[in-house]
Amino acid sequence: AQSVTQPDIHITVSEGASLELRCNYSYGATPYLFWYVQSPGQGLQLLLKYFSGDTLVQGIKGFEAEFKRSQSSFNLRKPSVHWSDAAEYFCAVGARYDMRFGAGTRLTVKP
Amino acid sequence: DTGVSQDPRHKITKRGQNVTFRCDPISEHNRLYWYRQTLGQGPEFLTYFQNEAQLEKSRLLSDRFSAERPKGSFSTLEIQRTEQGDSAMYLCASSLYGTSGTDTQYFGPGTRLTVL
Repeated sequence: AQSVTQPDIHITVSEGASLELRCNYSYGATPYLFWYVQSPGQGLQLLLKYFSGDTLVQGIKGFEAEFKRSQSSFNLRKPSVHWSDAAEYFCAVGARYDMRFGAGTRLTVKP
Repeated sequence: DTGVSQDPRHKITKRGQNVTFRCDPISEHNRLYWYRQTLGQGPEFLTYFQNEAQLEKSRLLSDRFSAERPKGSFSTLEIQRTEQGDSAMYLCASSLYGTSGTDTQYFGPGTRLTVL
């Protein structure tokens, strides 16, 4: 069965610093992979997705993610974090009809 | 494209009461999903519809839960005889599922349920 692990529960970075959020997945076939962001009390906003093709995908708000099949990873990166990026980030793997989400990584941005 | 909307945004109820939530998907989307999210966790799949047909239900969806999508547009999720363990954020998502076999789910703002 598919599953997602986000090893980091909470990450703190300084504004302007680079960011990498880790995501490892388990899935028997070619995975459909997603990153979503959730602000407190809000729904989930899609940042980016990978279905096939180029393993480096660009998303909104300056985020990118790289699919590495050999490592079963889909890490999210941003070269320079802004204070407004503080939120909860969820990685998800899509199957036939449902998505399995990781437990999330909470990002705090220090001024 | 107005996005996925959910109503109400917040609901406080007493244990044993029934509650109903509504979700309006993106207009051209044929699939609609319900998820539940508890504090500190990612969303968990509950059920989904393709048009008006409910095609899959999670084991999380006990007999007290029922969902409908009568005309293939909006959907309702009803919880009967609420329990404190039902307190959570209920998220709705929609997608346009096509012949490619892939789709992207777009989420609404959620309904936060508190059972006292």
